[in-house]
Amino acid sequence: ETGVTQSPTHLIKTRGQQVTLRCSSQSGHNTVSWYQQALGQGPQFIFQYYREEENGRGNFPPRFSGLQFPNYSSELNVNALELDDSALYLCASSVRTYGYTFGSGTRLTVV
Amino acid sequence: GENVEQHPSTLSVQEGDSAVIKCTYSDSASNYFPWYKQELGKGSQLIIDIRSNVGEKKDQRIAVTLNKTAKHFSLHITETQPEDSAVYFCAASMNYGGSQGNLIFGKGTKLSVKP
Repeated sequence: ETGVTQSPTHLIKTRGQQVTLRCSSQSGHNTVSWYQQALGQGPQFIFQYYREEENGRGNFPPRFSGLQFPNYSSELNVNALELDDSALYLCASSVRTYGYTFGSGTRLTVV
Repeated sequence: GENVEQHPSTLSVQEGDSAVIKCTYSDSASNYFPWYKQELGKGSQLIIDIRSNVGEKKDQRIAVTLNKTAKHFSLHITETQPEDSAVYFCAASMNYGGSQGNLIFGKGTKLSVKP
């Protein structure tokens, strides 16, 4: 059973809307990353937070933003949703150089 | 930047046979190579990983080999079972100074184990 919980599991939004996805990491996991996985593809790195500061970002526009909180939870916010944003969004947390633990993901559909 | 290629995209084996999935990476600075098993509704589970100071690692029916010179690593599953059926992803990252680098994933291999 994964120690990383994501909510909601499924979500349908309209193009142009904004969405917030949430992740609750395991206690002590001070690194959290978000990934976007399109259908039939591997996960693509969006950004990473370490001790509440962004410390790495993939090739995603600024309308993708995030927050990490002291209680090891985090958020992914996407503004001005586009149809191509439809994907599975994965949250992963880790402690220093130990392996990442992934959540089950949020399936976002933009219509 | 790092690029990870994974082959094959689909693999079908008979129960009891072995399965091998191969990945290549481009950045020689990458030093951490995990494998994830993804099942519908269950998320991505880390099944085995290897660091660049090791050439091979085994955990029961699963093994991973790493060739740093050729920049490729492979997942080996022996005595496959129907419950091994899933999508498998390889990944590479660079860990430095105690910090966890982001993972670069391959496109995945859909493994089907036929009873």
